[in-house]
Amino acid sequence: GAVVSQHPSWVICKSGTSVKIECRSLDFQATTMFWYRQFPKQSLMLMATSNEGSKATYEQGVEKDKFLINHASLTLSTLTVTSAHPEDSSFYICSARGLAIGGETQYFGPGTRLLVL
Amino acid sequence: AQSVTQPDIHITVSEGASLELRCNYSYGATPYLFWYVQSPGQGLQLLLKYFSGDTLVQGIKGFEAEFKRSQSSFNLRKPSVHWSDAAEYFCAVKEMDSSYKLIFGSGTRLLVRP
Repeated sequence: GAVVSQHPSWVICKSGTSVKIECRSLDFQATTMFWYRQFPKQSLMLMATSNEGSKATYEQGVEKDKFLINHASLTLSTLTVTSAHPEDSSFYICSARGLAIGGETQYFGPGTRLLVL
Repeated sequence: AQSVTQPDIHITVSEGASLELRCNYSYGATPYLFWYVQSPGQGLQLLLKYFSGDTLVQGIKGFEAEFKRSQSSFNLRKPSVHWSDAAEYFCAVKEMDSSYKLIFGSGTRLLVRP
């Protein structure tokens, strides 16, 4: 139980284009979803927290117009990187928590590797 | 502010040897503590967690961790390491507020010698 999926697993795009990454909770309802960014050989950096039906809360220094987050349902959140540039290349990981599965624990997706050329 | 420290960036152990990964936290109350493992190019998998009760917690894949309040530590242990345990290990603590955010340590990379 508590499976989180991400799609796509990797994406290559041209500079200036937008990329959408999906995060789904497959077997539970996700009260909250989190989006992280991870640089090589580094820890996870929280980008934003989103609750279903509410606007996302962004961490300090994260551009909300650059990284659009939508949490339209209890099983799906999307992260859109708008007008992507090479410096946006990174590993993006989502996680989810659900009240029915012990609300204190975050379960992570497999990650999406973004390469912007 | 809360913080999590993993003092060892890399640890190398021989297959079959015992393992202990260190984690120290700063926190004002009883913390909610987690250990996650990340294989290369993958997301994080929950190994175990501690919220309250018995201070020795059993997890998946033969891992255990012990919460020691006096030392502000939550070290991860395994009696006999397998080559497949080679990965990055992250200790995390839940934020004190109601956000459910996690504060992660910097991670420890485990290398397993054949």
